[in-house]
Amino acid sequence: DAGVTQSPTHLIKTRGQQVTLRCSPKSGHDTVSWYQQALGQGPQFIFQYYEEEERQRGNFPDRFSGHQFPNYSSELNVNALLLGDSALYLCASSGLAGTYNEQFFGPGTRLTVL
Amino acid sequence: AQSVTQLDSQVPVFEEAPVELRCNYSSSVSVYLFWYVQYPNQGLQLLLKYLSGSTLVKSINGFEAEFNKSQTSFHLRKPSVHISDTAEYFCAVSVRSATNKLIFGTGTLLAVQP
Repeated sequence: DAGVTQSPTHLIKTRGQQVTLRCSPKSGHDTVSWYQQALGQGPQFIFQYYEEEERQRGNFPDRFSGHQFPNYSSELNVNALLLGDSALYLCASSGLAGTYNEQFFGPGTRLTVL
Repeated sequence: AQSVTQLDSQVPVFEEAPVELRCNYSSSVSVYLFWYVQYPNQGLQLLLKYLSGSTLVKSINGFEAEFNKSQTSFHLRKPSVHISDTAEYFCAVSVRSATNKLIFGTGTLLAVQP
């Protein structure tokens, strides 16, 4: 089991550009959540996808958008990048089993905006 | 809304000494409680969780945490730390609802010194 995988590992962009980050969930998982972790901070919830639809969204602007594919993998898109978007972006997947759906995190994508 | 407070941004401790990392939360509804660990340049790993039942939960590597509902706390303790425990520790909550969105504290850096 490969666990949650994310690509790319690192990314450098300039202000105003657009970026796409990718996530493959753990085998058997159908729900993907995205978090932003700024330097020295705890992760902040961006949104969650289930059955190819956004199920819940955190306090992030519309510049942040996502998509989930039929194979449950997901993309995070950020438009019109700002310097403040520099952060570690974490993807987490979970399944339906049990009374609580534990989230498993990927290693993250480090985005630097210059 | 829910929030998590980790008052200690950094806790220095000598090897083999005991340690406590503090976590307090605020929520008007029932929550699940978690501790995650993040090693340098890595994603988050679940250390332990409280879902229900016994208020004292333990991890396989010697950490334990106790849920205290009256004090809305979930402090993490270890009786004897090792150099390898040096990492960032995040406390998190999740509302008992349809989604498993996590709300994190700002983290505590546990710095174990020889």
